[in-house]
Amino acid sequence: QVQLQQWAAGLLKPSETLSLTCVVSGGSFSAYYWTWIRQTPGKGLEWIGEVTLSGTTNYNPSLQSRVTISLDTSKSQFALRVSSVTAADTAVYYCARGRILGSTFFDSWGQGSLVTVSS
Amino acid sequence: DIQMTQSPSSLSASVGDRVTISCRASRSISDYLNWYQQKPGKAPKLLIYAASNLQSGVPSRFSGSGFGTDFTLTISSLQPEDFATYYCQQSYSTLPVTFGGGTKVET
Repeated sequence: QVQLQQWAAGLLKPSETLSLTCVVSGGSFSAYYWTWIRQTPGKGLEWIGEVTLSGTTNYNPSLQSRVTISLDTSKSQFALRVSSVTAADTAVYYCARGRILGSTFFDSWGQGSLVTVSS
Repeated sequence: DIQMTQSPSSLSASVGDRVTISCRASRSISDYLNWYQQKPGKAPKLLIYAASNLQSGVPSRFSGSGFGTDFTLTISSLQPEDFATYYCQQSYSTLPVTFGGGTKVET
């Protein structure tokens, strides 16, 4: 049973860089899309992007210029960086495992990390 | 982006009720539609994938249907643990994947 464990970023000031890590246990990295999703009261659930074992990344076009997702299989983890944060980046951030069986869906999730951006 | 619209945004129901939640896509998404349940303070949980396939371990009272632009999540007999918010998600266009705004099922 795969488990995803996140480490929280907490409070950031505008213009700082958000960094989150998700540790994966109990499963393989291959054949999955390691994904970050965020949730705000205003915009709901928003897909941020994904990385695969081959290192292929895909990002939400609305965030692409500021987002980097990376994978470190030696540490069984993947990471999210969002640069130049503003109050609009305040959200609960989730890591998730994506699978494709026809549709692409997210079958395992981290517990979520609340990130607040405030001066 | 493909817009996903859920209705209603909230509904009131009682234990034992049959509950139906709708999700409409702004254009055809075939059956690339998934459903999630979220309880307060928790991550979403996958219920249904590819419109009608029940995720392993999910009770059979949950079912999904639809194709193209119109989809439905049905709970055949609402249980106390089913009071939650439900989201649909499309993956026909994956850049980006998009979610509906949610339907809160409350007493």
